[in-house]
Amino acid sequence: EAQVTQNPRYLITVTGKKLTVTCSQNMNHEYMSWYRQDPGLGLRQIYYSMNVEVTDKGDVPEGYKVSRKEKRNFPLILESPSPNQTSLYFCASSTWDSDTGELFFGEGSRLTVL
Amino acid sequence: GEDVEQSLFLSVREGDSSVINCTYTDSSSTYLYWYKQEPGAGLQLLTYIFSNMDMKQDQRLTVLLNKKDKHLSLRIADTQTGDSAIYFCAEHTGTASKLTFGTGTRLQVTL
Repeated sequence: EAQVTQNPRYLITVTGKKLTVTCSQNMNHEYMSWYRQDPGLGLRQIYYSMNVEVTDKGDVPEGYKVSRKEKRNFPLILESPSPNQTSLYFCASSTWDSDTGELFFGEGSRLTVL
Repeated sequence: GEDVEQSLFLSVREGDSSVINCTYTDSSSTYLYWYKQEPGAGLQLLTYIFSNMDMKQDQRLTVLLNKKDKHLSLRIADTQTGDSAIYFCAEHTGTASKLTFGTGTRLQVTL
């Protein structure tokens, strides 16, 4: 089954404790991206990756890091989480071969930073 | 810059039509999308329209695009309780890196 898998789905952590949210897709997609969803703000792009070893900042990259060592994986790293990073995070992927540019989303990771 | 705006909430009765509106500011958008987010789930593509089209119909869904006013709408005919969700419009400006989402409209369907 074609899918984007995120882990963990739910996490409560404390300020300053490094964490990683993993994202993996099995569709051989070149493009991957991380978004955060906050009430009244919609989805905002954090980082994206056009392909392996190619990453770039989105609209709200502060406090986050990413890496793209393999095509299927695109982890999101919070080196020193703060309460303002409490949010619902989505990973998404797509292929350049698509006629529509459709993004495929994971089910989301709800992060609470105390 | 790009800014996609939607009203936050819409309530309709089952069987009525729903119209969700969206305004955008980037006139170079190539595709415009509607994504649906059900509770506890990620977003799924509902429908899309290419920028050189005015209207697209897909079963109960009708998308209208007014490029002059940069206005996009999604009409759902015969709205069902299963249509209750958050609906996001999004614009795509030619590179995959720039898919900009609206704030989302929560559709509530009442009996």
